Amino acid sequence: EAEVAQSPRYKITEKSQAVAFWCDPISGHATLYWYRQILGQGPELLVQFQDESVVDDSQLPKDRFSAERLKGVDSTLKIQPAELGDSAMYLCASSHSLDRGSYEQYFGPGTRLTVT
Amino acid sequence: GESVGLHLPTLSVQEGDNSIINCAYSNSASDYFIWYKQESGKGPQFIIDIRSNMDKRQGQRVTVLLNKTVKHLSLQIAATQPGDSAVYFCAENKYNQGGKLIFGQGTELSVKP
Repeated sequence: EAEVAQSPRYKITEKSQAVAFWCDPISGHATLYWYRQILGQGPELLVQFQDESVVDDSQLPKDRFSAERLKGVDSTLKIQPAELGDSAMYLCASSHSLDRGSYEQYFGPGTRLTVT
Repeated sequence: GESVGLHLPTLSVQEGDNSIINCAYSNSASDYFIWYKQESGKGPQFIIDIRSNMDKRQGQRVTVLLNKTVKHLSLQIAATQPGDSAVYFCAENKYNQGGKLIFGQGTELSVKP
């Protein structure tokens, strides 16, 4: 069964350092989402891609966060510089193109970030 | 603003009993909801969904009820098993806004053997 892949699974970094997360969606899925999940809360959308284009980045803290999906397949989320409050689980999800009428999102295992 | 929220942060049930997890939403225009299960160290996993043209939908051992009058939905798990222990989230799918999900805060279900 195809799955969304994410790496690394765990990352510890010091504040003010740069950190990057990688996501490989299910093959053929045109829509890719990055969510942040703070411990004890539900995930919150950071950015959404349709192919290589950003559809929604309204909740992305653009002063320190950036996301790209250059070839419309895998994606990278970067934080620079990391702050203590960025400690969270970063989840990637993918779905078929919305114009196919499919809305089910498949989530990866996440990257657990700890900023010290 | 709009929100989706659960009533109880934790729920403990005996193995074999039925579990009911509740969720409320604030936007009366919301019309597509999904329940997710999240086990420790894993991403959320789709359980079942329901649209506003339905008030009940059944899956394998799970039933979702939607009451649009009081803006409430519930997830019922029949014959709860230890493998059902997880955090359960209700989420609204904003399919007219690119399909993003608005999650509630989650209920942690513990199943006692």
